[in-house]
Amino acid sequence: QKEVEQNSGPLSVPEGAIASLNCTYSDRGSQSFFWYRQYSGKSPELIMSIYSNGDKEDGRFTAQLNKASQYVSLLIRDSQPSDSATYLCAVNQAGTALIFGKGTTLSVSS
Amino acid sequence: SQTIHQWPATLVQPVGSPLSLECTVEGTSNPNLYWYRQAAGRGLQLLFYSVGIGQISSEVPQNLSASRPQDRQFILSSKKLLLSDSGFYLCAWSVDNPGSDSPLHFGNGTRLTVT
Repeated sequence: QKEVEQNSGPLSVPEGAIASLNCTYSDRGSQSFFWYRQYSGKSPELIMSIYSNGDKEDGRFTAQLNKASQYVSLLIRDSQPSDSATYLCAVNQAGTALIFGKGTTLSVSS
Repeated sequence: SQTIHQWPATLVQPVGSPLSLECTVEGTSNPNLYWYRQAAGRGLQLLFYSVGIGQISSEVPQNLSASRPQDRQFILSSKKLLLSDSGFYLCAWSVDNPGSDSPLHFGNGTRLTVT
């Protein structure tokens, strides 16, 4: 059973701080990794994708990938109260659809 | 641009009643289509995916079924709902086949409560 693991949280950070969200996966063959943001009662929204080892930056978001350690992370700089949501890590698996972690709930206090 | 529509947004159904949820995609052809369920306190569970008309792959055996009668239409059905079928049902689409590098794009979801 291929798995994607995330700390459920909640992760609480003050406004303006850096939030660090982590994800590990079990399938060494996975090649594509995604971060989704899900506000309460809403559907997941794609915010980042990463395919190669290293860092990928998009605005206040940075995704980090280490395939040797089977580890993906998402950094949110200058966290805002509007970033408060559940963040889902998703990993591709050969021949089937994305596998999702259970998500980490982030709370940014003003 | 591509858009995905799901309806209804919310649904309350008694145990043993039938279910039909519909999803359509606009602005693209030959999309790969998916049904996921998110139960309270649980992650997203893949239920079905389809790479083309009439082609359905089931990930979890249960009392649900899926059909794809048209290229951009995906339907989730049940003949008799169980209490355990309650959850947030999400339809999604991707450009490339399952297992590829394509991300999924989700519809707004249907919140189903079985009473």
